[in-house]
Amino acid sequence: DIQMTQSPSTLSASVGDRVTITCRASQSISSWLAWYQQKPGGAPKLLIYKASSLESGVPSRFSGSGSGTEFTLTISSLQPDDFATYYCQEYNSLYTFGQGTKLEIK
Amino acid sequence: VQLLESGGGLLQPGGSLRLSCAASGFTFSDYYMSWIRQAPGKGLEWVSYISSSGSTIYYADSVKGRFTISRDNAKNSLYLQMNSLRAEDTAVYYCAKSDSGSYFEGWGQGTLVTVSS
Repeated sequence: DIQMTQSPSTLSASVGDRVTITCRASQSISSWLAWYQQKPGGAPKLLIYKASSLESGVPSRFSGSGSGTEFTLTISSLQPDDFATYYCQEYNSLYTFGQGTKLEIK
Repeated sequence: VQLLESGGGLLQPGGSLRLSCAASGFTFSDYYMSWIRQAPGKGLEWVSYISSSGSTIYYADSVKGRFTISRDNAKNSLYLQMNSLRAEDTAVYYCAKSDSGSYFEGWGQGTLVTVSS
């Protein structure tokens, strides 16, 4: 089974900051990686698919990169609405999610 | 696109429950569908998927042999029959749609299943 490891688990940042979340796969998954945002009490929302493709309607401050085993999600300038938990997910085999990164207000 | 789960509730260990997911706003029969769950305060865990025609089904090891996924394309509905429930099955259960079994592009709001004596 593929394991997905996100870092950090918690990230404290301020509005306007540039932040990066990393996701590592235990084996190569090519570019078959998605990123989701989840707010408390809500369902996850797709942000990025195929490692770097921005889902329609998602602000351009979100970007994804990487291939193989290492991937990043970058938010170029944090907005108040961005404080949430972020998950990566591989779809190379079946589906495995990372454990999540909680983005908190500093 | 709308996905609306129902059927959650409180039940004792060993019990059974059937979840439903009603789809609207898209051609249901064109999409793979999955169930994904989230235990309280925990991360996301994929549970099961079914192909658009229903011919291909997969389960996570944690539910294999206890849960059964099915769909009725005529009724635009997805189901999850859950048997021999355990405390560790307590979670919010989401249904989600994907194109040919890839990423999850649409999610329902979830339904809570609590297994407790």
